[in-house]
Amino acid sequence: EVQLVETGGGLVQPGGSLTLSCAASGFTVSDHYMTWVRQAPGKGLEWVSIFYSADITYNADSVKGRFTISRDNSKNTLYLQMNSLRPEDTATYYCARVARSGWYFDSWGQGNLVTVSS
Amino acid sequence: SYELTQAPSVSVSPGQAASITCSGEKLGERFASWYQQKPGQSPVLVIYQDTKRPSGIAERFSGSNSGNTATLTISGTQAMDEADYYCQAWDSSTAVFGGGTKLTVL
Repeated sequence: EVQLVETGGGLVQPGGSLTLSCAASGFTVSDHYMTWVRQAPGKGLEWVSIFYSADITYNADSVKGRFTISRDNSKNTLYLQMNSLRPEDTATYYCARVARSGWYFDSWGQGNLVTVSS
Repeated sequence: SYELTQAPSVSVSPGQAASITCSGEKLGERFASWYQQKPGQSPVLVIYQDTKRPSGIAERFSGSNSGNTATLTISGTQAMDEADYYCQAWDSSTAVFGGGTKLTVL
């Protein structure tokens, strides 16, 4: 069974840093593109970042220069390093798998809440 | 940057068909996907590559995509279909979501 479990969220002050982890089971992360999507409280889904390879990653304009996506194949885990956090980064962060058969997200984690507040 | 537009809300009576649209420039030239999200839950894929339905998704869910509009249709809508629905497409190598449509079954 495919499973994605996000950890690492919590309360952080503005300007602070946090790293989210997404542990995968039931499949190998290196066989898939992987992505992060967030959802601010009461708002819609917002795409954040995608990992194609160690050399090819993309971020949304809203997080460019502050967030870094990475992957550890040995741990079968995806990460999102978040720096210079702002109150508007407050959201539930989901990791998701890009299906190998096409460009869509076929599995999602349960989500992890990040709150940026003083 | 590429944008996808959805109506904030749609209402439907039980047993009737519900149509949720997603508009974007030349969207028909891209693949559209649709996700269902119920309160407190993670999104679930219901339609991919415009018209395909993942295993485990009810047959009453169908999709189409042409011109500037992708449409998710739920035939014989049930109370359990009440949820937020998001369309999604790709802009080069980055993903784009629509703002979401809240489907109310009343």
